[in-house]
Amino acid sequence: KAGVTQTPRYLIKTRGQQVTLSCSPISGHRSVSWYQQTPGQGLQFLFEYFSETQRNKGNFPGRFSGRQFSNSRSEMNVSTLELGDSALYLCASSSAGEGYNEQFFGPGTRLTVL
Amino acid sequence: AQSVAQPEDQVNVAEGNPLTVKCTYSVSGNPYLFWYVQYPNRGLQFLLKYITGDNLVKGSYGFEAEFNKSQTSFHLKKPSALVSDSALYFCAVRDSGGSYIPTFGRGTSLIVHP
Repeated sequence: KAGVTQTPRYLIKTRGQQVTLSCSPISGHRSVSWYQQTPGQGLQFLFEYFSETQRNKGNFPGRFSGRQFSNSRSEMNVSTLELGDSALYLCASSSAGEGYNEQFFGPGTRLTVL
Repeated sequence: AQSVAQPEDQVNVAEGNPLTVKCTYSVSGNPYLFWYVQYPNRGLQFLLKYITGDNLVKGSYGFEAEFNKSQTSFHLKKPSALVSDSALYFCAVRDSGGSYIPTFGRGTSLIVHP
Protein backbone atom coordinates (compact mmCIF):
# COMPACT_ATOMS: atom_id res chain seq x y z
CA LYS A 1 0.00 0.00 0.00
CA ALA A 2 1.11 3.53 -0.65
CA GLY A 3 1.85 5.55 2.46
CA VAL A 4 0.38 8.83 3.59
CA THR A 5 1.19 11.59 1.15
CA GLN A 6 1.23 15.29 1.82
CA THR A 7 1.46 18.16 -0.62
CA PRO A 8 3.23 20.42 -0.94
CA ARG A 9 6.34 19.39 0.94
CA TYR A 10 7.62 22.93 1.35
CA LEU A 11 5.82 26.24 1.37
CA ILE A 12 6.91 29.82 1.90
CA LYS A 13 4.27 32.44 2.61
CA THR A 14 4.15 35.96 4.00
CA ARG A 15 2.22 37.22 7.00
CA GLY A 16 -1.45 37.75 6.32
CA GLN A 17 -1.68 35.24 3.51
CA GLN A 18 -3.60 32.01 3.71
CA VAL A 19 -2.47 28.49 2.91
CA THR A 20 -4.06 25.12 2.15
CA LEU A 21 -2.27 21.85 2.83
CA SER A 22 -3.37 18.52 1.47
CA CYS A 23 -3.17 14.98 2.82
CA SER A 24 -4.00 11.67 1.19
CA PRO A 25 -4.31 8.86 3.75
CA ILE A 26 -3.49 5.23 3.27
CA SER A 27 -6.15 3.53 1.18
CA GLY A 28 -8.96 2.31 3.42
CA HIS A 29 -8.11 4.56 6.32
CA ARG A 30 -10.99 6.73 7.43
CA SER A 31 -9.41 8.70 10.25
CA VAL A 32 -7.12 11.61 9.45
CA SER A 33 -5.43 13.76 12.08
CA TRP A 34 -3.34 16.89 11.74
CA TYR A 35 -0.48 17.97 13.98
CA GLN A 36 1.77 20.99 14.21
CA GLN A 37 5.38 20.28 15.13
CA THR A 38 7.73 22.99 16.33
CA PRO A 39 11.01 22.80 18.25
CA GLY A 40 9.55 24.74 21.15
CA GLN A 41 6.11 23.15 21.51
CA GLY A 42 6.72 19.67 20.17
CA LEU A 43 3.81 17.84 18.57
CA GLN A 44 0.50 19.58 19.04
CA PHE A 45 -2.80 18.13 17.90
CA LEU A 46 -4.85 20.30 15.56
CA PHE A 47 -7.91 18.25 14.61
CA GLU A 48 -9.12 14.83 13.59
CA TYR A 49 -11.62 13.84 10.95
CA PHE A 50 -13.43 10.56 10.68
CA SER A 51 -15.77 9.80 7.80
CA GLU A 52 -15.93 13.47 6.77
CA THR A 53 -16.82 14.68 10.28
CA GLN A 54 -14.55 16.58 12.61
CA ARG A 55 -14.46 14.36 15.65
CA ASN A 56 -11.86 16.10 17.78
CA LYS A 57 -10.29 19.52 17.84
CA GLY A 58 -7.18 20.79 19.56
CA ASN A 59 -6.60 24.12 21.19
CA PHE A 60 -5.83 26.25 18.15
CA PRO A 61 -7.46 29.50 17.02
CA GLY A 62 -10.21 29.54 14.46
CA ARG A 63 -7.71 30.56 11.76
CA PHE A 64 -6.93 26.86 11.56
CA SER A 65 -9.58 24.81 9.85
CA GLY A 66 -9.86 21.58 7.98
CA ARG A 67 -12.12 19.26 6.11
CA GLN A 68 -12.28 15.72 4.86
CA PHE A 69 -13.69 14.53 1.59
CA SER A 70 -15.68 11.41 0.79
CA ASN A 71 -12.51 9.65 -0.41
CA SER A 72 -10.93 10.38 3.03
CA ARG A 73 -8.49 12.91 1.60
CA SER A 74 -8.13 15.87 3.90
CA GLU A 75 -7.14 19.50 3.68
CA MET A 76 -6.23 21.98 6.31
CA ASN A 77 -6.34 25.71 5.86
CA VAL A 78 -4.63 28.46 7.80
CA SER A 79 -5.87 31.98 7.22
CA THR A 80 -4.17 35.25 8.09
CA LEU A 81 -0.79 33.64 8.59
CA GLU A 82 1.41 34.71 11.49
CA LEU A 83 5.13 34.27 11.95
CA GLY A 84 4.43 31.77 14.72
CA ASP A 85 2.64 29.49 12.27
CA SER A 86 5.98 28.47 10.82
CA ALA A 87 6.18 24.75 11.54
CA LEU A 88 6.15 21.24 10.18
CA TYR A 89 2.54 20.18 9.65
CA LEU A 90 2.03 16.46 9.88
CA CYS A 91 -0.91 14.43 8.72
CA ALA A 92 -1.59 10.98 10.14
CA SER A 93 -4.11 8.35 9.18
CA SER A 94 -5.41 5.28 10.95
CA SER A 95 -7.71 2.50 9.85
CA ALA A 96 -10.78 2.56 12.07
CA GLY A 97 -10.03 5.57 14.19
CA GLU A 98 -10.20 3.53 17.36
CA GLY A 99 -8.02 4.45 20.29
CA TYR A 100 -5.82 1.39 20.01
CA ASN A 101 -4.96 1.88 16.34
CA GLU A 102 -1.53 3.22 15.55
CA GLN A 103 -1.22 6.22 13.29
CA PHE A 104 0.67 6.37 10.02
CA PHE A 105 2.30 9.71 9.39
CA GLY A 106 3.07 11.51 6.19
CA PRO A 107 6.41 13.26 5.59
CA GLY A 108 4.93 16.62 6.52
CA THR A 109 4.65 20.03 4.95
CA ARG A 110 7.28 22.52 6.05
CA LEU A 111 5.60 25.93 6.22
CA THR A 112 7.72 29.04 6.55
CA VAL A 113 6.00 32.35 7.18
CA LEU A 114 8.05 35.46 6.42
CA ALA B 1 -6.75 14.21 31.47
CA GLN B 2 -3.87 12.30 29.98
CA SER B 3 -0.22 13.21 29.89
CA VAL B 4 3.12 11.69 29.02
CA ALA B 5 6.63 12.61 30.06
CA GLN B 6 9.96 11.83 28.46
CA PRO B 7 12.40 12.97 31.12
CA GLU B 8 15.48 12.97 28.92
CA ASP B 9 15.90 15.38 26.03
CA GLN B 10 18.85 13.39 24.78
CA VAL B 11 20.29 9.93 25.30
CA ASN B 12 23.80 9.04 24.23
CA VAL B 13 24.92 5.45 23.82
CA ALA B 14 27.81 3.66 22.17
CA GLU B 15 27.10 1.35 19.24
CA GLY B 16 26.64 -2.20 20.43
CA ASN B 17 25.53 -1.18 23.92
CA PRO B 18 21.96 -1.55 25.17
CA LEU B 19 19.77 1.52 25.02
CA THR B 20 16.80 2.72 27.04
CA VAL B 21 14.55 5.67 26.28
CA LYS B 22 12.27 6.50 29.18
CA CYS B 23 8.57 7.31 29.18
CA THR B 24 6.08 7.76 31.99
CA TYR B 25 2.39 8.47 31.59
CA SER B 26 -0.75 9.51 33.41
CA VAL B 27 -4.29 8.52 32.44
CA SER B 28 -7.59 8.10 34.24
CA GLY B 29 -8.40 4.70 32.80
CA ASN B 30 -6.33 2.05 31.11
CA PRO B 31 -3.61 3.29 28.77
CA TYR B 32 -2.92 2.62 25.16
CA LEU B 33 0.80 3.32 24.73
CA PHE B 34 2.81 3.89 21.58
CA TRP B 35 6.36 4.56 20.49
CA TYR B 36 7.21 6.38 17.29
CA VAL B 37 10.51 7.32 15.70
CA GLN B 38 11.24 10.35 13.55
CA TYR B 39 14.22 10.65 11.25
CA PRO B 40 15.35 14.09 10.05
CA ASN B 41 12.91 15.79 7.70
CA ARG B 42 10.51 12.87 7.90
CA GLY B 43 7.19 12.10 9.53
CA LEU B 44 6.83 9.84 12.53
CA GLN B 45 7.07 6.10 12.05
CA PHE B 46 5.27 3.61 14.28
CA LEU B 47 7.53 1.28 16.29
CA LEU B 48 5.31 -0.60 18.72
CA LYS B 49 2.29 -0.36 20.97
CA TYR B 50 0.82 -1.73 24.18
CA ILE B 51 -2.91 -2.31 24.29
CA THR B 52 -3.38 -5.16 26.74
CA GLY B 53 -1.85 -8.49 27.63
CA ASP B 54 1.85 -9.27 27.84
CA ASN B 55 3.78 -6.44 29.48
CA LEU B 56 6.74 -6.92 27.14
CA VAL B 57 5.98 -5.68 23.66
CA LYS B 58 8.24 -6.34 20.69
CA GLY B 59 8.29 -4.02 17.72
CA SER B 60 10.14 -3.04 14.58
CA TYR B 61 13.92 -2.97 14.14
CA GLY B 62 14.63 -4.99 17.29
CA PHE B 63 13.02 -2.52 19.67
CA GLU B 64 10.92 -3.59 22.62
CA ALA B 65 9.15 -1.86 25.45
CA GLU B 66 8.00 -2.92 28.87
CA PHE B 67 4.70 -1.78 30.31
CA ASN B 68 4.89 -1.27 34.07
CA LYS B 69 1.51 -0.36 35.52
CA SER B 70 2.70 0.27 39.07
CA GLN B 71 5.37 2.70 37.89
CA THR B 72 3.20 4.04 35.05
CA SER B 73 6.11 3.62 32.69
CA PHE B 74 6.64 2.34 29.16
CA HIS B 75 10.38 2.47 28.52
CA LEU B 76 11.75 1.70 25.06
CA LYS B 77 14.69 -0.67 24.90
CA LYS B 78 17.04 -2.33 22.47
CA PRO B 79 19.74 -4.85 23.42
CA SER B 80 22.35 -3.57 20.97
CA ALA B 81 22.24 -0.07 19.52
CA LEU B 82 23.11 0.77 15.93
CA VAL B 83 24.34 4.11 14.60
CA SER B 84 21.31 4.05 12.31
CA ASP B 85 19.05 4.10 15.40
CA SER B 86 20.02 7.73 15.93
CA ALA B 87 16.76 9.66 15.65
CA LEU B 88 14.03 11.40 17.64
CA TYR B 89 11.79 9.08 19.64
CA PHE B 90 8.28 9.93 20.78
CA CYS B 91 6.14 8.20 23.36
CA ALA B 92 2.37 8.66 23.11
CA VAL B 93 -0.56 7.71 25.32
CA ARG B 94 -4.30 7.43 24.87
CA ASP B 95 -6.78 6.86 27.66
CA SER B 96 -8.86 3.82 26.70
CA GLY B 97 -11.93 5.45 28.20
CA GLY B 98 -11.30 8.90 26.85
CA SER B 99 -10.50 10.79 23.70
CA TYR B 100 -9.26 9.05 20.57
CA ILE B 101 -6.52 11.63 20.40
CA PRO B 102 -3.09 10.66 21.64
CA THR B 103 -0.90 12.88 23.75
CA PHE B 104 2.73 12.87 22.65
CA GLY B 105 5.79 13.40 24.75
CA ARG B 106 8.24 16.09 23.78
CA GLY B 107 10.60 13.56 22.27
CA THR B 108 14.01 12.16 23.14
CA SER B 109 16.92 12.52 20.79
CA LEU B 110 18.88 9.28 20.67
CA ILE B 111 22.48 9.57 19.55
CA VAL B 112 24.40 6.36 18.96
CA HIS B 113 28.14 6.89 18.73
CA PRO B 114 30.27 4.61 16.54
